[in-house]
Amino acid sequence: NAGVTQTPKFQVLKTGQSMTLQCAQDMNHNSMYWYRQDPGMGLRLIYYSASEGTTDKGEVPNGYNVSRLNKREFSLRLESAAPSQTSVYFCASKGAYNQPQHFGDGTRLSIL
Amino acid sequence: AQSVTQPDIHITVSEGASLELRCNYSYGATPYLFWYVQSPGQGLQLLLKYFSGDTLVQGIKGFEAEFKRSQSSFNLRKPSVHWSDAAEYFCAVGAGNAGNMLTFGGGTRLMVKP
Repeated sequence: NAGVTQTPKFQVLKTGQSMTLQCAQDMNHNSMYWYRQDPGMGLRLIYYSASEGTTDKGEVPNGYNVSRLNKREFSLRLESAAPSQTSVYFCASKGAYNQPQHFGDGTRLSIL
Repeated sequence: AQSVTQPDIHITVSEGASLELRCNYSYGATPYLFWYVQSPGQGLQLLLKYFSGDTLVQGIKGFEAEFKRSQSSFNLRKPSVHWSDAAEYFCAVGAGNAGNMLTFGGGTRLMVKP
């Protein structure tokens, strides 16, 4: 059981380039999330999808777009990367009531 | 809006010593509370969660946490720390449908001296 799988694990971009981070879960969870992790700030929610077909902004959505492709997959797109988006990005999924969020291993993204 | 504060950015303890990591939250309703651990280069692993009921919650790897509503706290404890416990620990509060939306604290990095 793979859980939450993120690709790629590492990526270096130049300012202005575009990039899509992929996330897939095999736990049949309804809800999926994208976070960014920066030193000293914990994880901050970028976007989430409470169920297939819906997406909503989180705390720090500017500069990002998302697509809930189907129940399994939730992608995060940077249309024009900026150095401030250098971070570690985590995808998570959650099932029904009283279940916690499950996290992938992260994508380490550097923007030069 | 909810918030979480972890007052200690770094903590160093000796192997075998007891551990307490502090977490204070702000949330207007009954909170759903979580502790996650992150080893270097890894994702977050759930240690324990509080949804309701007994305020003393047992988790994996010998950890426990106590929910104290009067103090808005959810401190993590372990009686005897092992070198493998060195990691970063995150407290989170969940809002919405059964904690659907998480707000994380800034994390506490634990170092263990031999």
